[in-house]
Formats: sequence, C-alpha cells, structure tokens
Amino acid sequence: KQEVTQIPAALSVPEGENLVLNCSFTDSAIYNLQWFRQDPGKGLTSLLLIQSSQREQTSGRLNASLDKSSGRSTLYIAASQPGDSATYLCAVRPDSSASKIIFGSGTRLSIRP
Amino acid sequence: DAGITQSPRYKITETGRQVTLMCHQTWSHSYMFWYRQDLGHGLRLIYYSAAADITDKGEVPDGYVVSRSKTENFPLTLESATRSQTSVYFCASSEWQGNEAFFGQGTRLTVV
Repeated sequence: KQEVTQIPAALSVPEGENLVLNCSFTDSAIYNLQWFRQDPGKGLTSLLLIQSSQREQTSGRLNASLDKSSGRSTLYIAASQPGDSATYLCAVRPDSSASKIIFGSGTRLSIRP
Repeated sequence: DAGITQSPRYKITETGRQVTLMCHQTWSHSYMFWYRQDLGHGLRLIYYSAAADITDKGEVPDGYVVSRSKTENFPLTLESATRSQTSVYFCASSEWQGNEAFFGQGTRLTVV
C-alpha cells in the first residue's frame, strides 16, 4: 500500500531564506507526483507536476525534484517571502491505480518577516 | 467561468438527514475525485470516477454514495449524516491520469 510522508510537519524560517520541503513515498512505482499549496480555509492550488520520467520541474522560485528509485521528492523555495506561508502537500499517483491520488499530511510553512 | 466549483460552500445539517454536495467542472475532464480533510488524518479519498458511469471506492467510502451520469458533474451524497462526517470536503478533477489534478474550494459540512 502506497504511503506518503512529509517531514517536518511544520517549519518556520525568516524571510529571504532558501528552503527545502521533503516528501517520501513507500512504493517507487508511481505515475506522477504533484505539489500543492493550501492556504488556511481554502482549497488546494497546484504548484508543480512531475511525471515519473522527469527529474525536476521549475516554476518561478519553486523547483521540485523527483528521485523515484529512492522514493523521494523535494520542493525547493528560493528567497522565501511571507506570502509563501501556507501548508504544502505532495501527492502521488500510483502506477497500480493511477485513478487514485494519495496525499501526504503536509508541511505547514511559516515565513517570518 | 472555467474551473471546478463546489456547492454549497458551507452546510449545517442534522444527524440522520440526507445531504448532497455538488461538484461541477467545465473542462470535460475524465477523472473526478471526492476527498475529505480532517485534522490528524489529512486528505482521504472517498470515491473516484474515471469517466461517466464509472465510479469506484476510495479509502473511506462508508456512508457515502456517488453518481456520475454526466462527465461534468460528480455529486456526493451522505445518505444518513453522522457527526463523524463533519469535515471539509474537496472535489477534484484531472483530464487523464497523467495530468494535473485541480481542486475545488471545498465544502465545510457540519453535522449536529
């Protein structure tokens, strides 16, 4: 059974720092991996999608990497800003059942001005 | 407007009542999903659908019913609401299994 883990559960850093959020999954047979952002009381906003054949994706100050063999993905945020404060979720689509999306529990990020 | 919309945004209902949460997407995406989000449990899949008239159970389907007679709509019905079904419900869609999934804004349901 595929399980997705995100550590740490919460992170607080001063503004301007570069930071890395981690996501690990137990079964490397995935179709793709997606990173989302969720603001309090809001829905999920898609940030980046990495297909299983890809190693990384970039969007602005965000860079997501994927290492399928080790079951890991990282989301790198450059030059963090207070507006980046949110919960970040990673989710995988297993090869065995790509109709499903399985989420990690998220990392709650706080950027201190 | 294009996108995925959920209604209502907020709902309070009594134990034992039937309630339906609506989800509508304008992209004609094949895949649609229902999740519930609870503190301590994260996002858990209730039901999903790969196409119209094709639905399947997720991780926590008990007490819920879905239908998908049209590609764009995927309603979720709580047949007899219980307090344990108090949660925030999210609907999502994706064009096919390799594409990005997009989420609605959620429905906050309280069962009293």
